[in-house]
Amino acid sequence: GQQLNQSPQSMFIQEGEDVSMNCTSSSIFNTWLWYKQDPGEGPVLLIALYKAGELTSNGRLTAQFGITRKDSFLNISASIPSDVGIYFCAGRSTTGNQFYFGTGTSLTVIP
Amino acid sequence: DTGVSQDPRHKITKRGQNVTFRCDPISEHNRLYWYRQTLGQGPEFLTYFQNEAQLEKSRLLSDRFSAERPKGSFSTLEIQRTEQGDSAMYLCASSTPTGNDGYTFGSGTRLTVV
Repeated sequence: GQQLNQSPQSMFIQEGEDVSMNCTSSSIFNTWLWYKQDPGEGPVLLIALYKAGELTSNGRLTAQFGITRKDSFLNISASIPSDVGIYFCAGRSTTGNQFYFGTGTSLTVIP
Repeated sequence: DTGVSQDPRHKITKRGQNVTFRCDPISEHNRLYWYRQTLGQGPEFLTYFQNEAQLEKSRLLSDRFSAERPKGSFSTLEIQRTEQGDSAMYLCASSTPTGNDGYTFGSGTRLTVV
């Protein structure tokens, strides 16, 4: 399957700091998704992106669809303890029927 | 609708036994997906259904794995002759026909093969 690389693998930040993470693909995608997963639970959709260059926000979260269509970025502003979890990107190509997931970025927020 | 339901949440089985998991998708969603997730990794695609038709299977789905969605509603995933390497979280998701709005995942079934 497709390989999506997420960076960084893990982050330890102070409460109130901003967070940036990214995801790169070897293939061109036409849809990017960002999910958050808590321990022992399924991933929960945060943001969906459909066009190159698109910038979409969901509260303190902002995600961007890279103009090369091979990458996407997620920013979290003013982090809070409940932001703790693993963040996954997922992408789907124009010819694909399923989303491929990245390796995840584990976020720890220190109060 | 309470979202995607998976049963059981946890399953411990001895190597060599067969196990079956169930997934009830969101009722309006006609696409249903099975993913597998091992510790420290992202979900990996196994298979998906559109209504009752199984349209795609990953190479990860060995011949010991079989999935069904007989009436286009709930789905089952069976693993025969389980091996320790089958230990993982098995996630079910559902979506609208295009999947453009993303998938809604269930809470998963955690399988431990001892």
